[in-house]
Amino acid sequence: NAGVTQTPKFQVLKTGQSMTLQCAQDMNHEYMSWYRQDPGMGLRLIHYSVGAGITDQGEVPNGYNVSRSTTEDFPLRLLSAAPSQTSVYFCASSYSGQGRYEQYFGPGTRLTVT
Amino acid sequence: AQTVTQSQPEMSVQEAETVTLSCTYDTSESDYYLFWYKQPPSRQMILVIRQEAYKQQNATENRFSVNFQKAAKSFSLKISDSQLGDAAMYFCAYRSKNFGNEKLTFGTGTRLTIIP
Repeated sequence: NAGVTQTPKFQVLKTGQSMTLQCAQDMNHEYMSWYRQDPGMGLRLIHYSVGAGITDQGEVPNGYNVSRSTTEDFPLRLLSAAPSQTSVYFCASSYSGQGRYEQYFGPGTRLTVT
Repeated sequence: AQTVTQSQPEMSVQEAETVTLSCTYDTSESDYYLFWYKQPPSRQMILVIRQEAYKQQNATENRFSVNFQKAAKSFSLKISDSQLGDAAMYFCAYRSKNFGNEKLTFGTGTRLTIIP
């Protein structure tokens, strides 16, 4: 199993550009999510999905879009990048429901918006 | 909404000594999960230890143990016999047991330095 994979590992964008951060998992997990990590603020939830075709907003969703067409993939789209979106982005997945609690994290993407 | 607070931005400990990292949380739920994650310079998030709220016994994983005080909503991490490889950011996190609410709520982290 590859676990949770993210691409790219690093990215530099100019203000106003768009891009998609890719996330895939091969563990058949129902639940997938995106977090951003900023200095002094821990990880904050951007969007999440409890299954294919179902997505919802987290704590900081503005400026980001997601979709979940398959169980395996959960891409995060930046529509028009802003310097405030400079951050490290983590994708995570887990089984859903009680008793299956562990979330597995990808290696992260460091994004810089200039 | 749940909140998680880590009041120690930085801690340091001598190699082979013991250190305790603090975490408090707020929730109205009676059953939930609590976690400690380690983030070394590689940036990878690594699960260190977990605790289910309904279990009275404190979780232990080798040199890592927790002191879970449910009534006080406190969840501290004790690292015994500290090693250089323990140097990292440590995050406390909360997860509901309710279906559809599997998100993790994180604290702001504690940076642990190991002094040789």
